[in-house]
Formats: sequence, structure tokens, C-alpha cells
Amino acid sequence: DTAVSQTPKYLVTQMGNDKSIKCEQNLGHDTMYWYKQDSKKFLKIMFSYNNKELIINETVPNRFSPKSPDKAHLNLHINSLELGDSAVYFCASSPTWGRDARTGELFFGEGSRLTVL
Amino acid sequence: RKEVEQDPGPFNVPEGATVAFNCTYSNSASQSFFWYRQDCRKEPKLLMSVYSSGNEDGRFTAQLNRASQYISLLIRDSKLSDSATYLCVVNPATNAGKSTFGDGTTLTVKP
Repeated sequence: DTAVSQTPKYLVTQMGNDKSIKCEQNLGHDTMYWYKQDSKKFLKIMFSYNNKELIINETVPNRFSPKSPDKAHLNLHINSLELGDSAVYFCASSPTWGRDARTGELFFGEGSRLTVL
Repeated sequence: RKEVEQDPGPFNVPEGATVAFNCTYSNSASQSFFWYRQDCRKEPKLLMSVYSSGNEDGRFTAQLNRASQYISLLIRDSKLSDSATYLCVVNPATNAGKSTFGDGTTLTVKP
């Protein structure tokens, strides 16, 4: 009964490869996110989707392309991987903005640890 | 200046100690505030929401001071299991749901 699940949990790949990380949530939330946590443990938002629409797109290289086939799924595709892409990528979801007393609470997946060699 | 700034830490305290973390935010229009906890190599999880009136959950007390734009987290009678990184999170007054995370404060509780 995992709420937010992401796959794969670990990913080791060579520079220049293309890889995808998948995320699914069964909480019925409308908003989903991708966060990146680097080696210094700083957690930064990359993208946010609300009902399949992109609403936040931070300064992220265009090698990163999110895709939301439906509001329960948000995938992240990364082209031409670089060493600096090594990090833990967290998917998260939250209730519809403005409707919940704890609006903005984020529910995170377990993270996908990407290592680029 | 960062949007959300936390005490740099690390905090190393003995069991039973009381420890307090502060967090300041720069956007005066910020709407909602949270403390998250992140264990080593795990995902962040919500610890507490922070309300203007202050709120308490067992040994944990969170306070918000809008005038000074800071929030605090107080942990009383700390346990070994409280060892973790504590993240301050601030949301803007928009519909974007863009949470800004502080860089975290690491707490180690020692026997």
C-alpha cells in the first residue's frame, strides 16, 4: 500500500547515457513533484505538475524532461547524463492546493539514487 | 540571501537534553510552514506543520513568528531516535505549491 513509489531505487550508468525514473502515487493527489538532493544534502525542486500540467519548471538543463501521462504518474527522463547529475531524485505529491488545512504537505517517495560514472 | 535559512549545526546533544532549531525566511508573503525530518539515506517526512498560535506534539513544539519571519522547533527530553536532519519548509502564498526547503540541521543525540 505504498503511497508514493519510484523506480528504480538505484541506478548506476555511464556518462552520455539516457535514463528514466518513474513515479506513481495512489493518494489521489493532484500535484506531483521532482526534487533533487545532491551530495551536500540540499533538496531543490526541479518540476511540479498539477493535474498533468507543468506548473513549476526551475532552472534545470533541458536534458531533463518530465512527463505526466495522468495525474497519478510523473516520470523523469534524463538525456546525455553527466557526472554532476549524480544525486538522489525524490518524487513527491501533495493534495490540491488551497483545499486542505495542511496544504502543501509533501509526501515523498523513497528516492532514486543515480550514480553517473 | 537564501529564501530559507537554518542553523548550520551540527547539533550534538546528550540524551534527555532540550534542543532548539531556528529557521528564518525572506518572503513575508509566505503562507504555510512545516518541519520535516529526514533520516540518513531516507526520504523526508513531515514532522509538524507550524501554526501562528504555535503547536505541540508530545516532546516537539513548533512556533511561528511572522513579524520576525522565523520559525522554531523545540525538542524536549531528546531520544537517540531523534537523531536525524531537520528541514524547515516554507510555502509561498500562491497556488504553485512551491515548497522551499532549508538546507537542514543535523541533530545527533548521544547516550
